[in-house]
This record gives sequence, C-alpha cells and structure tokens, in this order.
Amino acid sequence: QVQLVESGGGVVQPGRSLRLSCAASGFTFSRYGMHWVRQAPGKGLEWVAVISYDEDNIYYADSVKGRFTISRDNSKNTLYLQMNSLRAEDTAVYYCAKDMEEIAVAGFFDVGGQGTLVTVSS
Amino acid sequence: EIVLTQSPATLSLSPGERATLSCRASQSLSNFLTWYQQKPGQAPRLLIYDASYRATGIPARFSGSGSGTDFTLTISSLEPEDFAVYYCQQRTNWPYRYTFGQGTKLEIK
Repeated sequence: QVQLVESGGGVVQPGRSLRLSCAASGFTFSRYGMHWVRQAPGKGLEWVAVISYDEDNIYYADSVKGRFTISRDNSKNTLYLQMNSLRAEDTAVYYCAKDMEEIAVAGFFDVGGQGTLVTVSS
Repeated sequence: EIVLTQSPATLSLSPGERATLSCRASQSLSNFLTWYQQKPGQAPRLLIYDASYRATGIPARFSGSGSGTDFTLTISSLEPEDFAVYYCQQRTNWPYRYTFGQGTKLEIK
C-alpha cells in the first residue's frame, strides 16, 4: 500500500537549518507531484510547498518562500524540504503528501505521512 | 491571496444527527474545493475533491456541494468515528497557493 515516512525533525535554534526527508513506497513516485504541509501545535493546517513529478513546477507558500527549498530524488523515491533561516513560527509537525493526480499537479493530496516535528527554539 | 473562512468553528452534535459545515472563499474557486478530515495525531484524510466528488473509500454519508464562493460538507447521519476536525482547501491554478480554511471541530454533544 502507499506509504510515506517523514524523518529529519528535531529541535533547532532560530536562524539555523534543517533538512526533512520523506521516503515513499507503494506507488510510482516519479509520476506524482508531492506536497509539504505543516501544522503548528494546536493549530490548523498550512500548505507549504509542492513539486511536480519532473521538478519543472515548484511553488511555495509566501511564509516560506526564499527560506525553504523543496526537491526530490526520483531514483531514491524520496522527497526533501531544506529549511533555512528557521524561525520560532516554523515550529510544526511537517507532513509530506502525495498529489492526487498522475503527472499533472492537482493541488490536493490523497495520502499523507504521519509527520515529523520541527521545534525552533533557543 | 484567497482566504477560506469555515463556519462554525465548533459544531456540537450527537451520533445520528446531520452535520452541515460551511466553507466560504474570498473569491470564486469554480469547483476547486477539497475537504479533509483530521483526527488527533493523524495526517489529514481526503474526503471530497472538486466540491462534490467523494474520494475512494469514503462512505456515502459524506457529501459535498457548492460552487463559486460557497461550499458545504454534509454528513447525513453522524457515526462515532466522524467526530474530528474538518478542513477545506482551495486549488485554483493561480497563484498556486493551495490554502486551507481554519477548520471546523465536530465534537460529540
């Protein structure tokens, strides 16, 4: 079955960097767009970024644009989120999620991982 | 930026009752509106996409309606497992910001 497993979360000081990974299995990873979505403690969902299957289309939320970079390695079935210049407000559980449609980016997702917690604190 | 406003913030109902959740957009979405369910400690679960299409495996008691700026998620007869937080999300093609509403918590009365 489709499975997404995030890793790389932890406690990091403001201004530092962190890279999240998402290992995918159970589907043809190279044919689907992928998203990162986050959720601050006790708060709602916030869409963060999306990358198309071929990396040609990449979009970010305004809150992370210029600081975060989404990427993928289709040979390793892995999605990444490089987070630089971290702020306290980036503290959240980060979920990776599989876009609903093959090839085209639909903009919504049908499967998500269990998330990894990033805490930005001094 | 498109803003989605969900109402009510909290809805208190009993099993067997009908639930009606609202999502209003700051500009027209056509039918590009998605609904998710989220339970504590879990990833969001896709329920409805393109305003009215049920995702695979979603029970028929869940239905979505609406177009333009006003959308509704209806649960016809609540089951105990339906008590959760529900989010709407828009997916217009420009400016590619797939924003969520703030959520509606459906709690047991």
